[in-house]
Amino acid sequence: LAKTTQPISMDSYEGQEVNITCSHNNIATNDYITWYQQFPSQGPRFIIQGYKTKVTNEVASLFIPADRKSSTLSLPRVSLSDTAVYYCLVMMNSGYSTLTFGKGTMLLVSP
Amino acid sequence: DSGVTQTPKHLITATGQRVTLRCSPRSGDLSVYWYQQSLDQGLQFLIQYYNGEERAKGNILERFSAQQFPDLHSELNLSSLELGDSALYFCASSPHSGTGEGYTFGSGTRLTVV
Repeated sequence: LAKTTQPISMDSYEGQEVNITCSHNNIATNDYITWYQQFPSQGPRFIIQGYKTKVTNEVASLFIPADRKSSTLSLPRVSLSDTAVYYCLVMMNSGYSTLTFGKGTMLLVSP
Repeated sequence: DSGVTQTPKHLITATGQRVTLRCSPRSGDLSVYWYQQSLDQGLQFLIQYYNGEERAKGNILERFSAQQFPDLHSELNLSSLELGDSALYFCASSPHSGTGEGYTFGSGTRLTVV
């Protein structure tokens, strides 16, 4: 199971772009990188998943370099409602894997 | 509404008691996962069921047990409760087993042991 390392907390202001980087040095060939978001007292919510290069959806972008030892979640023009904990997870996209959450990154967006 | 329903939302009980938490997965999802979240331990995976059978076990105490019924709903039983069992308990479901993208979490049951 690949260990992930991400900043404990980050601060930003409304309208700014936020980039949260996650390190996963021992990622395996079959592993995917997945990001979840969690608001206080709510269950985590899937944001984005990728294997390599760049993935973009209506919420965020995920940048994965060629060596896949890190990934960066990019949130464009954050708002106050983006204040949450963001988790980076690495897992096999197969039948016997479960989501293993680390401490996550607490993002605080201020006016 | 995520489609995953957990009941009850809040539960207050005394030490030594037993409680049952219930989870109805999103329609069509075969896998159910239980997680415990406390302030000091973060989100801990407890157990997974897939189509009625136990698929994976995490940091689940022997005092805790779970099952998934033929209609795919799941129950988590917590017995001989201790103060340290106070936490948010989340249920998640996915269509298959182990695809990270497809997990949908419920809103949780907040258990307070007094």
